[in-house]
Formats: sequence, structure tokens, C-alpha cells
Amino acid sequence: DQQVKQNSPSLSVQEGRISILNCDYTNSMFDYFLWYKKYPAEGPTFLISISSIKDKNEDGRFTVFLNKSAKHLSLHIVPSQPGDSAVYFCAARTIDQGAQKLVFGQGTRLTINP
Amino acid sequence: EPEVTQTPSHQVTQMGQEVILRCVPISNHLYFYWYRQILGQKVEFLVSFYNNEISEKSEIFDDQFSVERPDGSNFTLKIRSTKLEDSAMYFCASSEGAWSYNEQFFGPGTRLTVL
Repeated sequence: DQQVKQNSPSLSVQEGRISILNCDYTNSMFDYFLWYKKYPAEGPTFLISISSIKDKNEDGRFTVFLNKSAKHLSLHIVPSQPGDSAVYFCAARTIDQGAQKLVFGQGTRLTINP
Repeated sequence: EPEVTQTPSHQVTQMGQEVILRCVPISNHLYFYWYRQILGQKVEFLVSFYNNEISEKSEIFDDQFSVERPDGSNFTLKIRSTKLEDSAMYFCASSEGAWSYNEQFFGPGTRLTVL
């Protein structure tokens, strides 16, 4: 049951450039999307979210874009910094299933090269 | 900054043994969750808990699993008779409310190894 998919297991980006992480979903009942960042030996840390009634949400260097018709969202990090190296998880929630359950993608390991 | 804590950080057990994983959620949060991540796989929802009751659980959360809030601060996950396939990282999370905009805060996880 792959309701949330991150097709790129890894991504390598030069420091200072833009990092773009992608996520696709299949369940049209999802109405809230989140990005979590995870360092080794730590739990996922919330990064940024977007409601399905929006198409863009920006917070500092992080911007999330949502294309509902394509069931696709992306996370842009600009400029990328070495501390951004981590695994990034896309997650989705739906009120229909109870606004309490996160469905995660497989994660993308981002490496920022100096 | 308040955070979710989990103990132990690593638990090794023999197959068939019972284990209890412990979590201390953020103090003003009302909703509590357990997730797990088998090595190399995605983070999977196990159960959510509110007002001393399970509010939602996944198909993974079978009769071998139980959750409890034994006092005002701890939230526990018990696995009655562990199997090899229970080996995973178990994450506890908590949130203020149940709405979509209520962020879930995760603990650092307990690595469970079943031998």
C-alpha cells in the first residue's frame, strides 16, 4: 500500500545550490502534507507543512509546493547547507481516517557537498 | 524546548519475551502515538491514543501489542511475545490536538532487537 511515494532514495547537491525533494501520493482524501527531517539516531523532526487548500508554503530557506491535480508535492531548500544533510520524509494526513495518523514515504537521503 | 523522551535507547530481547518500551510525551499534549521503522523501510503508524483509549490502530497493531498510560507522564508500548520481525526502531510521538495542523513531535526512538 504505497499511498505516499518518494521515488528518489538519495540526492546529492552542492552547497549553496537548490535541493528539490519530490513526493507523490495516491489518496485524494489526504488534505494535509508534512515534511520531516531525520538525522541518524534521532526521531523525525517536523520541518514544514502545507494544507491542500494552498499550493505553496514558505518558511525561510524551505518552500513546499503542492500540485493537487498531479498529486505531487516538492520541498525546495535554497541555499542548501551542509547541516541539511539528512533523510527527508514526506508524510500525509487525512481527516477522513482521523486526523491522527501520518502516512510516510520511504524517505530521501540528502547529501550536501561542500 | 520541550521534547518527547524514550527509554531505553536500545533493547535486546529473546524471541517470545515480553518487552515494554517507555515514552514521556510533551507535558501539555493530549494525543500520543507509536510508529515503527523496520531497517530500510518506511516509518509506519502503529497506534494513536487519546483520553486513555486507543483512537486508531493499524493492522500491524495486533493482539500482541498494547499501550497504556500508567500515570500522568508515561506512555508505554508492550509487546507480549516478541517475534524476530518485531525488530525495528520504535518512535513515540505526541501532539496537542488531533487536527491536521497539530504537529506531531517525535522522540529519538528505541531500537528493539529480537534474537
